[in-house]
Amino acid sequence: GESVGLHLPTLSVQEGDNSIINCAYSNSASDYFIWYKQESGKGPQFIIDIRSNMDKRQGQRVTVLLNKTVKHLSLQIAATQPGDSAVYFCAENIGVQGAQKLVFGQGTRLTINP
Amino acid sequence: DVKVTQSSRYLVKRTGEKVFLECVQDMDHENMFWYRQDPGLGLRLIYFSYDVKMKEKGDIPEGYSVSREKKERFSLILESASTNQTSMYLCASSLGGVQETQYFGPGTRLLVL
Repeated sequence: GESVGLHLPTLSVQEGDNSIINCAYSNSASDYFIWYKQESGKGPQFIIDIRSNMDKRQGQRVTVLLNKTVKHLSLQIAATQPGDSAVYFCAENIGVQGAQKLVFGQGTRLTINP
Repeated sequence: DVKVTQSSRYLVKRTGEKVFLECVQDMDHENMFWYRQDPGLGLRLIYFSYDVKMKEKGDIPEGYSVSREKKERFSLILESASTNQTSMYLCASSLGGVQETQYFGPGTRLLVL
């Protein structure tokens, strides 16, 4: 889920395990979703996206699942590696007046234990 | 690969100074965006632009202005910097459609004393 306040939700996993990061979005009319990864001191990096006419999309070691019924998005990372340690956040396109507008979640901090 | 660059990684300015943050993208993207990122508040949209010389206010435009004289360049201006503008500033760009990915630059960490 998404955080409130200053403390991000944290997920700790063992190296080699699979990770699942969740995101609840707000607008049932949102038609496009993106997952970003942000390492400390860097800008957000695109991981994977999904359009609302899909419920699953796979990339390299990552899978995004979209459940429009409950407005829920998840990012699955297979066989996590130390380089996967970062803050992950989702973004939904709420499309104001036909123009692009992304609304970002607060993020989840993923920590990989050796 | 899309490349979005920002002119400075770190900046220290004094209250009242005029501050320019520059962003350049090399992928001929129509859309460009400026965000600020603060702990607990996430990314908040300051201004965006859909075309050269066009600009639209985002969610928190107060105290900021922007300029887009060329397609590849989008500048954020703090007319008179204040301490509450200390933040991480992120620039992004995307193609002109609605369902297009925004690609981010590395960010500028601004400290206003």
